[in-house]
Amino acid sequence: GAGVSQSPSNKVTEKGKDVELRCDPISGHTALYWYRQSLGQGLEFLIYFQGNSAPDKSGLPSDRFSAERTGGSVSTLTIQRTQQEDSAVYLCASSLAGRGMGLNIQYFGAGTRLSVL
Amino acid sequence: SQQGEEDPQALSIQEGENATMNCSYKTSINNLQWYRQNSGRGLVHLILIRSNEREKHSGRLRVTLDTSKKSSSLLITASRAADTASYFCATDSGGYQKVTFGTGTKLQVIP
Repeated sequence: GAGVSQSPSNKVTEKGKDVELRCDPISGHTALYWYRQSLGQGLEFLIYFQGNSAPDKSGLPSDRFSAERTGGSVSTLTIQRTQQEDSAVYLCASSLAGRGMGLNIQYFGAGTRLSVL
Repeated sequence: SQQGEEDPQALSIQEGENATMNCSYKTSINNLQWYRQNSGRGLVHLILIRSNEREKHSGRLRVTLDTSKKSSSLLITASRAADTASYFCATDSGGYQKVTFGTGTKLQVIP
């Protein structure tokens, strides 16, 4: 597609339910990132994919959070047993990253606003 | 943890004035980027400056980089109400090409 697409744009769920957030990156972009942003705050890094592998999962806040990427394209972020503190905007970005190129410009989707009641 | 820290956290100016935002970071970098975010949604890339560059211009934007002080500044000249947004610096330290974002400056331009 022309840009990074995230779905759903808004998600309201009940505490304890599982949710899946989807990110469809720009075609050909090898790197994919997930971030979380609470209201009025900065970006919190969650996980980074290079192709289908995740060299850096250091930002996942707990074992309730997991992510996968298949075919070097679409990624899904899953939050199990959601808690109220999981409420935030979840942003996905992709980049045409090449090792040593140093021009890792990220293109962001519009985000998924998650509300846990 | 955040690599970049922006200063000030919030800035309010009159339309037509210049806005300056600063970013400090901790480790060596390959390049530094500035992004803009409207209404808590996706970020948009504005400008990238490489570690061997000291100044870069793009339209009304001017970015400086001082690697000895590990700091950068973003200047928006002749600000407009439409410039109202949050601005983030992001550092690329190479390695896994993971870009690390700062805490952001919230700019309000009053018409």
